Amino acid sequence: QVQLQESGPGLVKPSQTLSLTCTVSGGSISSGSYYWSWIRQPAGKGLEWIGRIYTSGSTNYNPSLKSRVTISVDTSKNQFSLKLSSVTAADTAVYYCAREAVAGTPSPDYWGQGTLVTVSS
Amino acid sequence: QSALTQPASVSGSPGQSITISCTGTSSDVGGYNYVSWYQQHPGKAPKLMIYDVSNRPSGVSNRFSGSKSGNTASLTISGLQAEDEADYYCSSYTSSSTPYVFGTGTKVTVL
Repeated sequence: QVQLQESGPGLVKPSQTLSLTCTVSGGSISSGSYYWSWIRQPAGKGLEWIGRIYTSGSTNYNPSLKSRVTISVDTSKNQFSLKLSSVTAADTAVYYCAREAVAGTPSPDYWGQGTLVTVSS
Repeated sequence: QSALTQPASVSGSPGQSITISCTGTSSDVGGYNYVSWYQQHPGKAPKLMIYDVSNRPSGVSNRFSGSKSGNTASLTISGLQAEDEADYYCSSYTSSSTPYVFGTGTKVTVL
C-alpha cells in the first residue's frame, strides 16, 4: 500500500519561503498513473488545494496561490516538493501531500499524515 | 472557486442514521458524478470513504453510503458508532480554475 510522508521545517519567518518534501513509499512516483498534490488546512478551517504535478513535470496550481507556488518532482528519490514564497501568517496551516489518479475520480485517494507549518517571526 | 456548503455539525445517537449534505452548483456537484467524501479524525489525515458519488473503497464499512440529487450530494452513516465521530468533508470535480473543490466540513458528534 502506498504511503506518503511530509517533511520540512515547522517554523518559517514572514516573507521567507516555505519548503516541504513528500516521500512516497510502496509505489513508484514515476508510474504515470497519478498526480501528486499538495493540500493545506489552516487550524479549524477547511481544506484548500494548492497544486499538483505529474511525473512529466507538468503542473497545475490554484490561481489564488499561483504567483507564489512551485511544485517539483525528483523521481530518483521518489519525492515531490512544494515551495511557497513570500509567506505570511495566513499561510500557517497543516500541509498535506496526496495522490490522485489520472484516470478516475478527480480527488485524492491517499494522503500523508500532514505537517504543521507556522509562519511567525 | 467557492467551497461547497456543508452543515457545520450533525449529531446522532448510537445506532441511528444521519445524513450530511453537500451543496454546490451545476458547475461542480450538479454537473458531474465525481463527488467524494472524506473522514478526518483529529490530528489525522483525511480518509477516502466514498468516491464517484456512491462507491466505497475497499475496506470502508457499508454503513457509509453516498447519493446525489441535483446540486446536492449526501453522505449517510447508518448504525452510527462512537468511532464515526469525526469531521467529514465532501469534494467535487469542478469546471472552474481548480480540478476539484472541497466542502466546508461537518463535525459529526455521537451523543
